[in-house]
Amino acid sequence: EAGVAQSPRYKIIEKRQSVAFWCNPISGHATLYWYQQILGQGPKLLIQFQNNGVVDDSQLPKDRFSAERLKGVDSTLKIQPAKLEDSAVYLCASSLKSGAGEQFFGPGTRLTVL
Amino acid sequence: AQSVTQPDIHITVSEGASLELRCNYSYGATPYLFWYVQSPGQGLQLLLKYFSGDTLVQGIKGFEAEFKRSQSSFNLRKPSVHWSDAAEYFCAVGYLGNQFYFGTGTSLTVIP
Repeated sequence: EAGVAQSPRYKIIEKRQSVAFWCNPISGHATLYWYQQILGQGPKLLIQFQNNGVVDDSQLPKDRFSAERLKGVDSTLKIQPAKLEDSAVYLCASSLKSGAGEQFFGPGTRLTVL
Repeated sequence: AQSVTQPDIHITVSEGASLELRCNYSYGATPYLFWYVQSPGQGLQLLLKYFSGDTLVQGIKGFEAEFKRSQSSFNLRKPSVHWSDAAEYFCAVGYLGNQFYFGTGTSLTVIP
């Protein structure tokens, strides 16, 4: 079974630039999560999708971050414009069901904002 | 508010020694509990999980964890640590209603 795929693995940008991350969840997983993991901290949930609908985006900085999951499969997370404090690893995870379901994580995208 | 606490930021143990990583949560209802491991540059890998039933759960790589409702704890243990166990360990809790929270992690160093 293929795991959660993410790209790119690394990205370096200047502040105020835009960046987008892509995630392909495990086939058949209805729930998809985006997390932000700042160095030395645990992952923080940014947004959760159930199929192509948003379940929870309470911690997503909506003035600069956006995410979509068209057709309920792949997802993209965008930052526009980026700030220095956005430097982090962005993790995508998927699960068969939300809440109690086991989450499977991708390798993450390490973003450095200069 | 719900929270997950891992009181030990960093732990150092000798290879072959036993290990216990602490995790406490705060919430009225019984959550679903998980331990994940993250090696440098890698994604998170599930070690074990507790949903219900036997409060002592076995996981991969020789790890186990015990759910203690009275103490709101879900501590991770391993009787004999290997050098390859050096990594970051995260406790996480999930609730019906789509909420999922991670602790801040415990970094494990293994001394030869």
